[in-house]
Amino acid sequence: GESVGLHLPTLSVQEGDNSIINCAYSNSASDYFIWYKQESGKGPQFIIDIRSNMDKRQGQRVTVLLNKTVKHLSLQIAATQPGDSAVYFCAETGQAGTALIFGKGTTLSVSS
Amino acid sequence: DVKVTQSSRYLVKRTGEKVFLECVQDMDHENMFWYRQDPGLGLRLIYFSYDVKMKEKGDIPEGYSVSREKKERFSLILESASTNQTSMYLCASSPGTRGTDTQYFGPGTRLTVL
Repeated sequence: GESVGLHLPTLSVQEGDNSIINCAYSNSASDYFIWYKQESGKGPQFIIDIRSNMDKRQGQRVTVLLNKTVKHLSLQIAATQPGDSAVYFCAETGQAGTALIFGKGTTLSVSS
Repeated sequence: DVKVTQSSRYLVKRTGEKVFLECVQDMDHENMFWYRQDPGLGLRLIYFSYDVKMKEKGDIPEGYSVSREKKERFSLILESASTNQTSMYLCASSPGTRGTDTQYFGPGTRLTVL
């Protein structure tokens, strides 16, 4: 069946380092991908998205890379700050007309 | 900014009670969703709605029902709450005619069933 997974459930980095959070997806027909950030006690917040006709998209301190050949998605956070500590989810489109499919999340811990 | 609000942040109910969780969005979005979130299981879709009075089952609809009488409001109903329904419940909405656009989430309701 379809599934979206993340390579690591936890990631610990030092303040100022660059962080890379990875996600593997299984549905080669997915055409839209999203990264969400969820801080403790809050709902997920949209960070950045990318469509399948792109392989890279940049936001403020964040970059999403899409490799359709190996069905891999990554989120890069530059100069990671303590406020970046959260759970990060990737999500992909399901079969046409159905809801998004979410991965289980990676917990990013930033120490100063 | 999109705003999705949920009626309660924390709720404690007893087994067998009927529970209503309310969600309201202010961006005229077509689509609304209810998820539950449990440690190690991620977000699991309970029900979603593409239009007023329309509903579709998600991955885990058993024990739940929903109501969408107005476009901005989507209610999740636990007909007879059970302890295994203790969870964080998240509501989301998205624009467009497909359920696969960016979804915007509310703050969540942490429900405890005793």
